[in-house]
Amino acid sequence: ILNVEQSPQSLHVQEGDSTNFTCSFPSSNFYALHWYRWETAKSPEALFVMTLNGDEKKKGRISATLNTKEGYSYLYIKGSQPEDSATYLCAFPQYNFNKFYFGSGTKLNVKP
Amino acid sequence: EPEVTQTPSHQVTQMGQEVILRCVPISNHLYFYWYRQILGQKVEFLVSFYNNEISEKSEIFDDQFSVERPDGSNFTLKIRSTKLEDSAMYFCASSDPGDRGRDTDTQYFGPGTRLTVL
Repeated sequence: ILNVEQSPQSLHVQEGDSTNFTCSFPSSNFYALHWYRWETAKSPEALFVMTLNGDEKKKGRISATLNTKEGYSYLYIKGSQPEDSATYLCAFPQYNFNKFYFGSGTKLNVKP
Repeated sequence: EPEVTQTPSHQVTQMGQEVILRCVPISNHLYFYWYRQILGQKVEFLVSFYNNEISEKSEIFDDQFSVERPDGSNFTLKIRSTKLEDSAMYFCASSDPGDRGRDTDTQYFGPGTRLTVL
C-alpha cells in the first residue's frame, strides 16, 4: 500500500485570496501524479497529470508543481473565486497504472 | 462533451441482497475502473479492467464482488451479498491513453452511485 497524504484537510479563504495545498507521495518509484477537482454532487474532474520532476502545469488561475525527488506536489489557486470551492484530490498510480492511490483531499471553501 | 454516466444515483438495499451498479464509460475508452469512498475516508481503488478481463484488484475486491462488460457499452459492478460496510459512494472511471502512453493518461469519472446497505 502506498501512502498519499494531502494537507491541509480543509481551507477557508476569502474571495481574491491566493492559496495553495500539498500532496505528498513516495519519492521512490514515481510514475505520475494526478490532480482532480471534485465539486459536491458532481464527478471528480481531472485537472493535471504530472510526470516529470520540475513540471509546472497551469489551467487558468490554477497551477501545479511537482518535485519527485522529495515526493510532493503543490496546487496553487491565484485569486480564489467562490466557484473554486471544491475538494481537490491527488492520486498516485502504481507502476503499471492499473491501480491508483488517492489522498484524502483538501476541501476548499471560498467565501464571497 | 462525452461523459461517464452511472445508474442508479442512489441504491438502498437490505444486507445480504445482491446489487448491480451500472456504468456507461466514454465510448472509445479501453480502460475501466471502479472506486469507492466510504463516508469520511479516502477514495479507494477496487478494480481495473481492460480487454474484457480484470487487470488489477484490491484486497477489498473479494469473491463477493464481480465486474462485467456485458455488451460493449455497460460496465457493471456486482456485489453478491451486501454487508453494512459496503455502504459507500461507488465511482466508475474510464480512460484511453491513445498514443500518449499510460503515464499521461487521464481518467474520466462518473458522478457516482451512493449505496446504502440497511
